[in-house]
Amino acid sequence: AQTVTQSQPEMSVQEAETVTLSCTYDTSESDYYLFWYKQPPSRQMILVIRQEAYKQQNATENRFSVNFQKAAKSFSLKISDSQLGDAAMYFCAYEGGSEKLVFGKGMKLTVNP
Amino acid sequence: GAVVSQHPSRVICKSGTSVKIECRSLDFQATTMFWYRQFPKQSLMLMATSNEGSKATYEQGVEKDKFLINHASLTLSTLTVTSAHPEDSSFYICSASPGVYGNTIYFGEGSWLTVV
Repeated sequence: AQTVTQSQPEMSVQEAETVTLSCTYDTSESDYYLFWYKQPPSRQMILVIRQEAYKQQNATENRFSVNFQKAAKSFSLKISDSQLGDAAMYFCAYEGGSEKLVFGKGMKLTVNP
Repeated sequence: GAVVSQHPSRVICKSGTSVKIECRSLDFQATTMFWYRQFPKQSLMLMATSNEGSKATYEQGVEKDKFLINHASLTLSTLTVTSAHPEDSSFYICSASPGVYGNTIYFGEGSWLTVV
């Protein structure tokens, strides 16, 4: 079975600084998708960024970018120019072809003004 | 953009009663929807896969007789918590996608269930 591991339960960053959230996963499949979701206090799950495993180029969405290392099964999220609104729970997730997401335990990000 | 709507957002029910939570895809058809449960300060735990026109597929350890799932149409799935107990109190959230592998998966707003 696929597993997703987020080893850091909490992190903090100063406003305008950069922070990197780590995620590793385990799978025997070669084709899959990886996601980072943000869950603010409202509990709404918000897609931050998505990476297709067969694409070597790292995905980027404005201030958010990933470092996808397929061989190492690593999928870290970098948030640049952190903003107060980035404070939330962040979940790394894996999808292996069934639309069924496997989530990591999540990481609480605090942004200090 | 595509939206998944969940209702009610909050519900309080008495122990022993049943409560229904709806999940609707507003502008796309979803042959498959997913139901998750999230305990405080924890991750989302997949409960079951809701399949339009057929029986739901439950994850190991989830009581299918307690958590009844019905996917009556391509835009609506319902989760009914039967004979609710205080330990069923939790945040329940659904997700759906237009059905193409790798396509964006949309989440409902979630439903807080409190059983008193």
